Amino acid sequence: ETGVTQTPRHLVMGMTNKKSLKCEQHLGHNAMYWYKQSAKKPLELMFVYNFKEQTENNSVPSRFSPECPNSSHLFLHLHTLQPEDSALYLCASSQDRGTHNEQFFGPGTRLTVL
Amino acid sequence: GEDVEQSLFLSVREGDSSVINCTYTDSSSTYLYWYKQEPGAGLQLLTYIFSNMDMKQDQRLTVLLNKKDKHLSLRIADTQTGDSAIYFCAESSPSGTYKYIFGTGTRLKVLA
Repeated sequence: ETGVTQTPRHLVMGMTNKKSLKCEQHLGHNAMYWYKQSAKKPLELMFVYNFKEQTENNSVPSRFSPECPNSSHLFLHLHTLQPEDSALYLCASSQDRGTHNEQFFGPGTRLTVL
Repeated sequence: GEDVEQSLFLSVREGDSSVINCTYTDSSSTYLYWYKQEPGAGLQLLTYIFSNMDMKQDQRLTVLLNKKDKHLSLRIADTQTGDSAIYFCAESSPSGTYKYIFGTGTRLKVLA
Protein backbone atom coordinates (compact mmCIF):
# COMPACT_ATOMS: atom_id res chain seq x y z
CA GLU A 1 0.00 0.00 0.00
CA THR A 2 1.56 3.26 -1.13
CA GLY A 3 -1.16 5.57 0.17
CA VAL A 4 -2.40 6.31 -3.35
CA THR A 5 -5.59 4.62 -4.52
CA GLN A 6 -7.10 4.55 -7.98
CA THR A 7 -10.55 3.53 -9.18
CA PRO A 8 -11.62 1.74 -11.20
CA ARG A 9 -8.78 -0.77 -11.61
CA HIS A 10 -10.06 -1.86 -15.02
CA LEU A 11 -12.24 0.01 -17.51
CA VAL A 12 -13.53 -0.97 -20.92
CA MET A 13 -15.23 1.77 -22.90
CA GLY A 14 -16.42 2.48 -26.38
CA MET A 15 -15.19 5.42 -28.38
CA THR A 16 -18.37 7.41 -27.77
CA ASN A 17 -18.53 6.89 -24.00
CA LYS A 18 -17.66 9.35 -21.27
CA LYS A 19 -15.97 8.02 -18.16
CA SER A 20 -13.78 9.29 -15.34
CA LEU A 21 -10.76 7.90 -13.53
CA LYS A 22 -10.33 8.76 -9.88
CA CYS A 23 -7.20 9.04 -7.77
CA GLU A 24 -6.95 9.74 -4.05
CA GLN A 25 -3.84 10.15 -1.92
CA HIS A 26 -3.76 9.88 1.86
CA LEU A 27 -0.21 11.17 2.29
CA GLY A 28 -0.75 14.89 2.73
CA HIS A 29 1.14 15.60 -0.49
CA ASN A 30 0.79 18.78 -2.50
CA ALA A 31 1.63 17.57 -6.00
CA MET A 32 -0.29 15.01 -8.07
CA TYR A 33 0.40 13.55 -11.49
CA TRP A 34 -1.23 11.55 -14.27
CA TYR A 35 0.99 9.23 -16.32
CA LYS A 36 0.23 6.99 -19.29
CA GLN A 37 2.06 3.65 -19.43
CA SER A 38 2.10 1.88 -22.81
CA ALA A 39 4.07 -1.22 -23.68
CA LYS A 40 7.66 -0.59 -24.81
CA LYS A 41 7.35 3.17 -24.39
CA PRO A 42 8.69 5.44 -21.67
CA LEU A 43 6.26 6.41 -18.98
CA GLU A 44 4.53 9.52 -20.36
CA LEU A 45 3.78 12.38 -18.01
CA MET A 46 0.37 13.82 -18.93
CA PHE A 47 -0.59 16.38 -16.27
CA VAL A 48 0.85 17.85 -13.10
CA TYR A 49 -1.00 19.64 -10.33
CA ASN A 50 0.75 21.49 -7.53
CA PHE A 51 -1.38 22.91 -4.72
CA LYS A 52 -4.48 22.22 -6.88
CA GLU A 53 -3.14 24.31 -9.76
CA GLN A 54 -2.29 22.67 -13.07
CA THR A 55 1.37 23.35 -13.75
CA GLU A 56 1.99 21.07 -16.73
CA ASN A 57 0.03 19.74 -19.66
CA ASN A 58 2.37 17.77 -21.90
CA SER A 59 0.54 18.27 -25.21
CA VAL A 60 -2.23 15.91 -24.16
CA PRO A 61 -5.26 15.74 -26.51
CA SER A 62 -8.34 17.55 -25.26
CA ARG A 63 -10.26 14.26 -25.05
CA PHE A 64 -8.42 13.90 -21.72
CA SER A 65 -9.53 16.46 -19.18
CA PRO A 66 -8.04 16.56 -15.67
CA GLU A 67 -9.65 17.95 -12.57
CA CYS A 68 -8.12 18.53 -9.14
CA PRO A 69 -10.78 19.73 -6.66
CA ASN A 70 -8.36 19.53 -3.70
CA SER A 71 -4.84 18.34 -2.93
CA SER A 72 -6.02 14.83 -2.12
CA HIS A 73 -8.11 14.07 -5.20
CA LEU A 74 -7.37 13.97 -8.88
CA PHE A 75 -9.67 12.98 -11.72
CA LEU A 76 -9.13 12.26 -15.38
CA HIS A 77 -12.27 12.73 -17.46
CA LEU A 78 -12.35 10.77 -20.70
CA HIS A 79 -14.53 11.34 -23.76
CA THR A 80 -14.47 10.21 -27.39
CA LEU A 81 -11.27 8.24 -26.87
CA GLN A 82 -9.43 6.31 -29.58
CA PRO A 83 -8.24 2.69 -29.46
CA GLU A 84 -4.64 3.92 -29.23
CA ASP A 85 -5.54 5.49 -25.88
CA SER A 86 -5.74 1.98 -24.41
CA ALA A 87 -3.03 1.84 -21.73
CA LEU A 88 -2.38 1.75 -18.01
CA TYR A 89 -3.07 5.15 -16.46
CA LEU A 90 -1.06 5.79 -13.33
CA CYS A 91 -1.63 8.45 -10.74
CA ALA A 92 1.20 9.59 -8.49
CA SER A 93 1.76 12.13 -5.75
CA SER A 94 4.77 13.77 -4.15
CA GLN A 95 5.34 16.15 -1.29
CA ASP A 96 5.98 19.01 -3.70
CA ARG A 97 7.59 19.77 -7.06
CA GLY A 98 11.12 20.34 -5.80
CA THR A 99 14.28 18.93 -7.34
CA HIS A 100 14.26 15.81 -5.23
CA ASN A 101 10.96 14.25 -4.51
CA GLU A 102 9.91 10.64 -4.29
CA GLN A 103 6.79 9.94 -6.24
CA PHE A 104 4.26 7.53 -4.78
CA PHE A 105 2.23 5.68 -7.36
CA GLY A 106 -1.21 4.15 -7.34
CA PRO A 107 -1.81 0.71 -8.87
CA GLY A 108 -3.20 2.19 -12.07
CA THR A 109 -6.35 1.88 -14.13
CA ARG A 110 -6.09 -0.52 -17.08
CA LEU A 111 -8.10 1.20 -19.82
CA THR A 112 -9.28 -0.57 -22.97
CA VAL A 113 -10.96 1.48 -25.69
CA LEU A 114 -12.95 -0.57 -28.17
CA GLY B 1 14.58 16.92 -25.67
CA GLU B 2 15.63 14.95 -22.65
CA ASP B 3 15.63 11.20 -23.04
CA VAL B 4 16.15 8.18 -20.77
CA GLU B 5 16.88 4.83 -22.42
CA GLN B 6 16.87 1.28 -21.11
CA SER B 7 16.95 -2.14 -22.67
CA LEU B 8 13.54 -3.79 -22.57
CA PHE B 9 14.34 -7.25 -21.22
CA LEU B 10 16.82 -9.03 -18.96
CA SER B 11 16.80 -12.65 -17.90
CA VAL B 12 19.01 -14.07 -15.11
CA ARG B 13 19.22 -17.23 -13.03
CA GLU B 14 18.26 -17.20 -9.38
CA GLY B 15 21.29 -16.48 -7.22
CA ASP B 16 23.16 -14.62 -9.96
CA SER B 17 23.67 -10.86 -10.05
CA SER B 18 21.50 -8.71 -12.31
CA VAL B 19 22.73 -5.50 -13.86
CA ILE B 20 20.17 -3.15 -15.35
CA ASN B 21 21.53 -0.25 -17.37
CA CYS B 22 20.20 3.17 -18.21
CA THR B 23 21.48 6.12 -20.23
CA TYR B 24 20.19 9.65 -20.05
CA THR B 25 20.82 12.81 -22.00
CA ASP B 26 20.22 15.71 -19.62
CA SER B 27 23.57 16.71 -18.17
CA SER B 28 21.85 18.94 -15.60
CA SER B 29 20.20 15.93 -13.94
CA THR B 30 20.48 16.28 -10.20
CA TYR B 31 18.90 13.08 -8.95
CA LEU B 32 18.59 9.70 -10.61
CA TYR B 33 16.15 7.08 -9.42
CA TRP B 34 15.35 3.41 -9.74
CA TYR B 35 11.72 2.39 -9.40
CA LYS B 36 10.31 -1.15 -9.36
CA GLN B 37 6.91 -2.14 -10.73
CA GLU B 38 5.51 -5.51 -9.75
CA PRO B 39 2.63 -7.07 -11.73
CA GLY B 40 -0.66 -5.27 -11.17
CA ALA B 41 0.93 -2.51 -9.12
CA GLY B 42 2.23 0.99 -9.53
CA LEU B 43 5.88 1.99 -9.34
CA GLN B 44 7.73 2.00 -6.02
CA LEU B 45 10.97 3.83 -5.36
CA LEU B 46 13.85 1.41 -4.77
CA THR B 47 16.77 3.78 -4.43
CA TYR B 48 18.17 7.03 -5.75
CA ILE B 49 21.52 8.71 -6.17
CA PHE B 50 22.54 12.34 -6.15
CA SER B 51 24.49 13.40 -9.21
CA ASN B 52 27.68 14.22 -7.30
CA MET B 53 28.00 10.60 -6.14
CA ASP B 54 29.54 7.72 -8.07
CA MET B 55 28.10 4.84 -6.12
CA LYS B 56 25.46 4.03 -3.56
CA GLN B 57 24.94 0.70 -1.86
CA ASP B 58 21.80 -0.39 -0.09
CA GLN B 59 21.75 -4.04 1.01
CA ARG B 60 21.57 -6.12 -2.20
CA LEU B 61 21.33 -3.04 -4.42
CA THR B 62 24.30 -1.14 -5.82
CA VAL B 63 23.81 1.95 -7.96
CA LEU B 64 26.69 3.15 -10.13
CA LEU B 65 26.69 6.53 -11.83
CA ASN B 66 29.06 7.54 -14.59
CA LYS B 67 28.23 11.18 -15.05
CA LYS B 68 30.70 11.69 -17.88
CA ASP B 69 29.00 9.00 -19.98
CA LYS B 70 25.53 9.75 -18.53
CA HIS B 71 25.20 6.09 -17.61
CA LEU B 72 23.40 4.69 -14.58
CA SER B 73 23.25 1.07 -13.53
CA LEU B 74 21.46 -0.96 -10.88
CA ARG B 75 23.08 -4.15 -9.67
CA ILE B 76 21.00 -6.63 -7.70
CA ALA B 77 23.11 -9.19 -5.89
CA ASP B 78 21.83 -12.74 -5.27
CA THR B 79 18.77 -12.16 -7.46
CA GLN B 80 15.63 -13.89 -6.23
CA THR B 81 12.40 -14.83 -8.03
CA GLY B 82 10.68 -12.06 -6.08
CA ASP B 83 12.90 -9.57 -7.90
CA SER B 84 11.07 -10.33 -11.17
CA ALA B 85 9.46 -7.02 -12.11
CA ILE B 86 9.87 -4.01 -14.39
CA TYR B 87 12.62 -1.61 -13.32
CA PHE B 88 12.38 2.04 -14.34
CA CYS B 89 15.21 4.50 -14.39
CA ALA B 90 14.21 8.16 -13.89
CA GLU B 91 15.97 11.49 -13.68
CA SER B 92 14.98 14.81 -12.27
CA SER B 93 16.53 18.08 -13.26
CA PRO B 94 15.94 21.68 -12.29
CA SER B 95 15.16 22.72 -15.84
CA GLY B 96 11.87 24.54 -16.05
CA THR B 97 9.54 23.04 -13.49
CA TYR B 98 11.84 20.28 -12.22
CA LYS B 99 11.16 17.71 -14.90
CA TYR B 100 11.01 14.09 -13.89
CA ILE B 101 11.63 11.77 -16.83
CA PHE B 102 11.24 8.00 -16.87
CA GLY B 103 12.71 5.40 -19.18
CA THR B 104 10.86 2.56 -20.91
CA GLY B 105 11.46 0.14 -18.07
CA THR B 106 13.48 -3.11 -18.14
CA ARG B 107 11.54 -6.29 -17.54
CA LEU B 108 13.65 -8.55 -15.34
CA LYS B 109 12.82 -12.24 -15.39
CA VAL B 110 14.47 -14.43 -12.78
CA LEU B 111 14.68 -18.10 -13.67
CA ALA B 112 14.56 -20.67 -10.87
